[in-house]
Amino acid sequence: RKEVEQDPGPFNVPEGATVAFNCTYSNSASQSFFWYRQDCRKEPKLLMSVYSSGNEDGRFTAQLNRASQYISLLIRDSKLSDSATYLCVVTRGGANNLFFGTGTRLTVIP
Amino acid sequence: EADIYQTPRYLVIGTGKKITLECSQTMGHDKMYWYQQDPGMELHLIHYSYGVNSTEKGDLSSESTVSRIRTEHFPLTLESARPSHTSQYLCASSRQDYGYTFGSGTRLTVV
Repeated sequence: RKEVEQDPGPFNVPEGATVAFNCTYSNSASQSFFWYRQDCRKEPKLLMSVYSSGNEDGRFTAQLNRASQYISLLIRDSKLSDSATYLCVVTRGGANNLFFGTGTRLTVIP
Repeated sequence: EADIYQTPRYLVIGTGKKITLECSQTMGHDKMYWYQQDPGMELHLIHYSYGVNSTEKGDLSSESTVSRIRTEHFPLTLESARPSHTSQYLCASSRQDYGYTFGSGTRLTVV
């Protein structure tokens, strides 16, 4: 079983829509959780960290459910510029314990 | 403004050549990483380093080697490039387990 699993999509949504991505992780010892954004042929960039209490940054809301071992990202009022691949990332401590999901591809349509 | 720099950005080279991909960071991060990513595919860790004189192989077997003589510098070397090495190579660094920062990548094509 993979450490981190994501629905690869693609998700094609109209501008202004709300879209949610989920990600599950297999190891309960996982410590830190992040969402990264990767544009086509570019490097991943940190979008936001994910905390158990949930956190919000503008139109983006991230949630962590440790009991069910899943992480979610909600994007409200989608913009064309939100089109990208969203990577779920989980760490367990140590330099080699960073695990990436395969990414969920989002396309926002005018 | 990038704090982690990779050069070259693009490289097309013939089979059998030796190449070194450069990665430097100015953030004083102890941990550095090399990832390999094919188009539309997931990232695979090929090398990492805890600090100076520390290097380890990652999850994906790679014929490349790395060195960490200085904190800020983590070059990756391929002694004899082959077409199967064609890929994008991403360097990253972090302090502890937070805030992984990626370089803009080197897109390598071996012909």
